[in-house]
Amino acid sequence: SQKIEQNSEALNIQEGKTATLTCNYTNYSPAYLQWYRQDPGRGPVFLLLIRENEKEKRKERLKVTFDTTLKQSLFHITASQPADSATYLCAPGRGYALNFGKGTSLLVTP
Amino acid sequence: GAVVSQHPSRVICKSGTSVKIECRSLDFQATTMFWYRQFPKQSLMLMATSNEGSKATYEQGVEKDKFLINHASLTLSTLTVTSAHPEDSSFYICSAGTGAFDEQYFGPGTRLTVT
Repeated sequence: SQKIEQNSEALNIQEGKTATLTCNYTNYSPAYLQWYRQDPGRGPVFLLLIRENEKEKRKERLKVTFDTTLKQSLFHITASQPADSATYLCAPGRGYALNFGKGTSLLVTP
Repeated sequence: GAVVSQHPSRVICKSGTSVKIECRSLDFQATTMFWYRQFPKQSLMLMATSNEGSKATYEQGVEKDKFLINHASLTLSTLTVTSAHPEDSSFYICSAGTGAFDEQYFGPGTRLTVT
């Protein structure tokens, strides 16, 4: 069955550093992969989408890579800020349906 | 743009009663709406996918008679939890999409507590 794994431990980093979150998937060949941010008690908010034929995507301080050979996506936040503290979800998908990982909790301290 | 609302945000009901949750896309027409359930510290689990005017497609293990989904228009979908039990207590989130490969716009979620 499909399996999506994200960093199981919470990630604590200092403000200004780069946060790197990992998403690995198995038994799955997604056509694209999306990253979302979720704050406690709220619905997820879309951040970035990368397609299977793209290696890298950037948006402001965010960068996503997608390696279909390794079956892995990396999500980077550069110059991190305390406001970036949240849970980040990766969601590989084909067609309409998304499959979400459990998420990685990021805490950025001043 | 691309705002999705859910109502109610929080509901407490007694075991055996039914609860209806509404999901609306406020400023766009959603081709497809999705219903998810999320338990504490767990991932979002897709329950069903619905297209306007047609029957919802339920994921394996989700009882269609218990979780009734109606998608009456391109801006409104409802989820009714029938004969709710304490184990149905969870965070229910809807999302709306405009097409395959597109991002989904999520509602703020509904916290259901069944006593």
